[in-house]
Amino acid sequence: AQSVSQHNHHVILSEAASLELGCNYSYGGTVNLFWYVQYPGQHLQLLLKYFSGDPLVKGIKGFEAEFIKSKFSFNLRKPSVQWSDTAEYFCAVNSYSSASKIIFGSGTRLSIRP
Amino acid sequence: DTEVTQTPKHLVMGMTNKKSLKCEQHMGHRAMYWYKQKAKKPPELMFVYSYEKLSINESVPSRFSPECPNSSLLNLHLHALQPEDSALYLCASSQDGSRGQGDYEQYFGPGTRLTVT
Repeated sequence: AQSVSQHNHHVILSEAASLELGCNYSYGGTVNLFWYVQYPGQHLQLLLKYFSGDPLVKGIKGFEAEFIKSKFSFNLRKPSVQWSDTAEYFCAVNSYSSASKIIFGSGTRLSIRP
Repeated sequence: DTEVTQTPKHLVMGMTNKKSLKCEQHMGHRAMYWYKQKAKKPPELMFVYSYEKLSINESVPSRFSPECPNSSLLNLHLHALQPEDSALYLCASSQDGSRGQGDYEQYFGPGTRLTVT
């Protein structure tokens, strides 16, 4: 069965620090990968996605993620965080064979100290 | 327009009540979804509609009854809920996933915060 692991449950950083949030998935077939963000009191929105091609994908608000197939990983990065990045971040995956079903990781809460 | 709207924003209901949650999108998407999200947890898939037909039911109790009257609307009918059903209920839409490779994103609504007393 598909699964997604986010090992960091709560990350606390100061403004301007660099960010990397880990995401590993478990699935043997071809997958699509996503990072969604949920700002306090707001709805889930897509940060970035990987379907195929260049494994380094760039998203909104300066975020990027790298797909490393050999490690089953899709880590999220940002070189310099801002207070406004405080949010819950979810890694998610679906597969070609079960395209309607997105599996979400448990989420990482990011707190930025001003 | 990339918006999914949900009504009501908040709902408080007793265990004997019947209520409905509504979701609407005008992006021409043919797949629509209901998720349940508990505090500090990821969304959990409940139902998927594809071309107005129920394609996935994740073993959801029958006290939750989905309905897709047309391609733009999705309802979730609630009856005899339990306090543990209190959660944020999210609606989402996307291009139809069942006929492709899933290389699309889901657009989420703001959710309905449900409290069962």
